[in-house]
Amino acid sequence: DAKTTQPPSMDCAEGRAANLPCNHSTISGNEYVYWYRQIHSQGPQYIIHGLKNNETNEMASLIITEDRKSSTLILPHATLRDTAVYYCIVRVFQFYFGTGTSLTVIP
Amino acid sequence: SQTIHQWPATLVQPVGSPLSLECTVEGTSNPNLYWYRQAAGRGLQLLFYSVGIGQISSEVPQNLSASRPQDRQFILSSKKLLLSDSGFYLCAWSVRTAPPNYGYTFGSGTRLTVV
Repeated sequence: DAKTTQPPSMDCAEGRAANLPCNHSTISGNEYVYWYRQIHSQGPQYIIHGLKNNETNEMASLIITEDRKSSTLILPHATLRDTAVYYCIVRVFQFYFGTGTSLTVIP
Repeated sequence: SQTIHQWPATLVQPVGSPLSLECTVEGTSNPNLYWYRQAAGRGLQLLFYSVGIGQISSEVPQNLSASRPQDRQFILSSKKLLLSDSGFYLCAWSVRTAPPNYGYTFGSGTRLTVV
């Protein structure tokens, strides 16, 4: 069962930063936070993951609060191709997906 | 490099007909393999996972079954399809002894419509 809570939908203007929040208040000390996204009718695509520290890669940044009960995925300069459903997942052993946040990037 | 293949990409089947979806992984050995289903407008539901040949774990009771006849082959089957079996089926793999900081790689999916 999903252990995360995300807003069902968000809009973001093209070129602006998209900040996608996720609550995972029951996270355990050895559980990682993962973010995937799914563009319509495609398989989910890995974005980023982290344990305690903030992480950055070529796609996004992940900010995890000090108590690890929430995190934010940041797409620094959203483009129309970033329109997708974004899933925040706390990994125990298997990946259990919630319903995610549907991000729409507006021209 | 590792790749994962799923086929067919789309499938329309009548109610009561059998089903066989195949997934294969290349470029790795002893992977963990997974089947997910996504009903229209909903999130991904884990159906089955396998940590080795012949080893299948089912997450939810349903009209489907899975088999792993070879190390890098994962098959999803049904003897008689129901309308509720319609959906987007995704196969995924991960490293066998993956610690929590290893992710999954997903295939491109099969869209099944039962009519």
